[in-house]
Amino acid sequence: EAGVAQSPRYKIIEKRQSVAFWCNPISGHATLYWYQQILGQGPKLLIQFQNNGVVDDSQLPKDRFSAERLKGVDSTLKIQPAKLEDSAVYLCASSLRLAGEWNEQFFGPGTRLTVL
Amino acid sequence: QKEVEQNSGPLSVPEGAIASLNCTYSDRVSQSFFWYRQYSGKSPELIMSIYSNGDKEDGRFTAQLNKASQYVSLLIRDSQPSDSATYLCAVNTNTGFQKLVFGTGTRLLVSP
Repeated sequence: EAGVAQSPRYKIIEKRQSVAFWCNPISGHATLYWYQQILGQGPKLLIQFQNNGVVDDSQLPKDRFSAERLKGVDSTLKIQPAKLEDSAVYLCASSLRLAGEWNEQFFGPGTRLTVL
Repeated sequence: QKEVEQNSGPLSVPEGAIASLNCTYSDRVSQSFFWYRQYSGKSPELIMSIYSNGDKEDGRFTAQLNKASQYVSLLIRDSQPSDSATYLCAVNTNTGFQKLVFGTGTRLLVSP
């Protein structure tokens, strides 16, 4: 079974530039998550999709971050414009369903973003 | 703010010893609890989940949950150098869909 795919793996940009990350979840997984992990911290949920609908985006800085999952499969996360404090690893995860026991979240390899 | 707190460590144990990792959480309605292992430069990997008070054992790992004390722990028996990693405690703070809040993680170092 193929895992969660993410690209690019690394990205270096200057502040005020824009950047986009792509995620392809495990086949058949209805729920997709984007997390931000700053060095030395745990992952922080940014946005959560169920199929192509947003379930929770309460921690997404909507003035600069946007995300979509138009066909209910792969997803993109965009930052525009980037700030220095956006330097982090952006993790995508997927799970089979939205709730219930044994609903394991599988993480992709992440995209390491450096904003100069 | 719903919080999950862990000691950042590092927790150093010799090979073969028991490593004990602790986590406290602030939201009493939390329903389910997870331990993830994260090697340096890698993504988190689920190693244990626990939903009811008491102990849950899986191989060398035991998760312990005490909802009254809002406390969850992970014991690793016969620790190996390959267990050296950061262990993240995650709590589902939502009573409906799964929404995880992660702690900052505890770094475990197992010396040969």
